[in-house]
This record gives sequence, structure tokens and C-alpha cells, in this order.
Amino acid sequence: LAKTTQPISMDSYEGQEVNITCSHNNIATNDYITWYQQFPSQGPRFIIQGYKTKVTNEVASLFIPADRKSSTLSLPRVSLSDTAVYYCLVGDPGFQKLVFGTGTRLLVSP
Amino acid sequence: DTGVSQDPRHKITKRGQNVTFRCDPISEHNRLYWYRQTLGQGPEFLTYFQNEAQLEKSRLLSDRFSAERPKGSFSTLEIQRTEQGDSAMYLCASSNDGDHYEQYFGPGTRLTVT
Repeated sequence: LAKTTQPISMDSYEGQEVNITCSHNNIATNDYITWYQQFPSQGPRFIIQGYKTKVTNEVASLFIPADRKSSTLSLPRVSLSDTAVYYCLVGDPGFQKLVFGTGTRLLVSP
Repeated sequence: DTGVSQDPRHKITKRGQNVTFRCDPISEHNRLYWYRQTLGQGPEFLTYFQNEAQLEKSRLLSDRFSAERPKGSFSTLEIQRTEQGDSAMYLCASSNDGDHYEQYFGPGTRLTVT
């Protein structure tokens, strides 16, 4: 399973776009990139998943360059309720189990 | 069905006691997972069921830990002879075949061993 590196914390203000970058230099051919969000005292929640290029859903966008050695989660116009820990995970879906790092703590201020 | 549920939400026990947690997955999901999370860390995988079969166990799951999913529906996680190091949030998740890492987590059971 590929190791991931992401910033420990980030600060932002309401209404701004937030980009969280994750490095995964050892990503394998079969690996997907997945992002989860976790609020205090709750279980993680799936946000988005991608393999290459760009993926967008109603919550976020995921940008993956051609070499796939990094990825960027983009949250448009964040609000206070986006304050959470964001985890970047990389792995082969066939393994099923999720391997979490320590994540990025995003604090959104008024 | 409103999602994955776990019971109890909080458990305080004395060292040496046995505890059991229950997880009810989303009804149509055939896969069920247990994770453990300590303060400031991401969740760590413990074990995984496909229907009633336990297919993988982490080395974190010592002999004092046992998990079951007898009918392929709900699951229980038992910790025998609890230790202070067992204090953590125990998370359950479920998913379907082909979900490619999209697991649905419950709210967790917070265990405190005194």
C-alpha cells in the first residue's frame, strides 16, 4: 500500500477555495486515490475517489496529474461546517481495507 | 435504513473486565469492517467480514480480541481482560462489492478503560 504525505493542518476563511495536496510517490498501477472527511466524534465519510485526471462531485473536486504521484482535493467556497480532518488514502480496491494516515486538520474561520 | 449503527456509543470499564460492542451495517451491504482510532490518529484496520466469513485480521487484533458476524448481518467485537491501552474509538463500517473503497462508517463506540 502506497504511503501518503499530506499537511498536518490548514487554515482558511469562509467562502474561500481550499486545496489540500497529498503526495504518494510510490503509487502502484492498480491504486485508486480516495479522500475521506471526519468530524469530531464521528466516523469518516467518503468524499471522492479517482484514478487519473479530474473527478468532480457535488462536494469536491479531485485533481490527479499524469504521473499520479500526487493529488489535490479542492473544496470550493468552504463554510464553517467544513472544519474537519481530511484523509488521503491510496490503495488497490481489491484489498478492501482502508489505510489512514494522520490526515489534514482544516480549520475554517468566519 | 439510516446508516451504520453502533451500540453502545460510550463504554467505561475497569481494567480486566470484558466488553462487547455491536455493529449493525447498512442492510444490503455484505462487507463489514472494524477499525480502531486513538486520539490524533487516523483509524486503524482491525478486521473484515464478507457475509459471515472473517477474511482478514490485523496484527493489532491480539488474542484478547474476537469478532463475529454469525448470520452475515450484525457483528460483535469483544475485548477480553481489557487494558488501559485498549482505550480508543472503535469504528464499524460497511460496504458493497465493487464499491472501491467507499465504506460507510458508524458513529463509533468510545471505550475508556480505567
